[in-house]
Amino acid sequence: QQQVKQSPQSLIVQKGGIPIINCAYENTAFDYFPWYQQFPGKGPALLIAIRPDVSEKKEGRFTISFNKSAKQFSLHIMDSQPGDSATYFCAALGYSGAGSYQLTFGKGTKLSVIP
Amino acid sequence: GAGVSQSPSNKVTEKGKDVELRCDPISGHTALYWYRQSLGQGLEFLIYFQGNSAPDKSGLPSDRFSAERTGGSVSTLTIQRTQQEDSAVYLCASSLGQGGVQPQHFGDGTRLSIL
Repeated sequence: QQQVKQSPQSLIVQKGGIPIINCAYENTAFDYFPWYQQFPGKGPALLIAIRPDVSEKKEGRFTISFNKSAKQFSLHIMDSQPGDSATYFCAALGYSGAGSYQLTFGKGTKLSVIP
Repeated sequence: GAGVSQSPSNKVTEKGKDVELRCDPISGHTALYWYRQSLGQGLEFLIYFQGNSAPDKSGLPSDRFSAERTGGSVSTLTIQRTQQEDSAVYLCASSLGQGGVQPQHFGDGTRLSIL
């Protein structure tokens, strides 16, 4: 069974801190790893994504670190702001074997950034 | 342009009733996906459409669930004889194609509550 394990389940940091969310996967055939941000009552929105041939990707205050040998990847949010308070999901894309490429999601991390 | 639109935004119904959930994808997006998000859980893949065809129905939890897509655009997810365990947020996403790195754009979902 394809799985993506995400931790922690929840995270509280002060404004300006650097929250780190970790994900681990099992299927070495996964070849695309996006992170989604979801606010209450809204759908997930793509935040940043990485391919396994790259070890790090930065977009603004968001950075993905990728460790292919360990099958782990993480999201870092620099200079976190209260507006970053949301639920973050990691995901991994792979062929389902049933006719499509599927995103397998972690269970999410609820981030609270306190002023 | 407009994003993915889902309706209704909320649906409350009695156990045993049938429900229909609608998704209008982004214009020009040929790939369409349905997911289910239960409280505190990640997103669970239900079904994928490429055009009007559904090559991957592997995520549908039971034969009470069905979906169709017409005109390569609007999709309807139908749940027959609803059960309390069907209560969840049902999310629809679309992408330009099935190519692995095509980002999926999500609607805000339909929150379904079964009494």
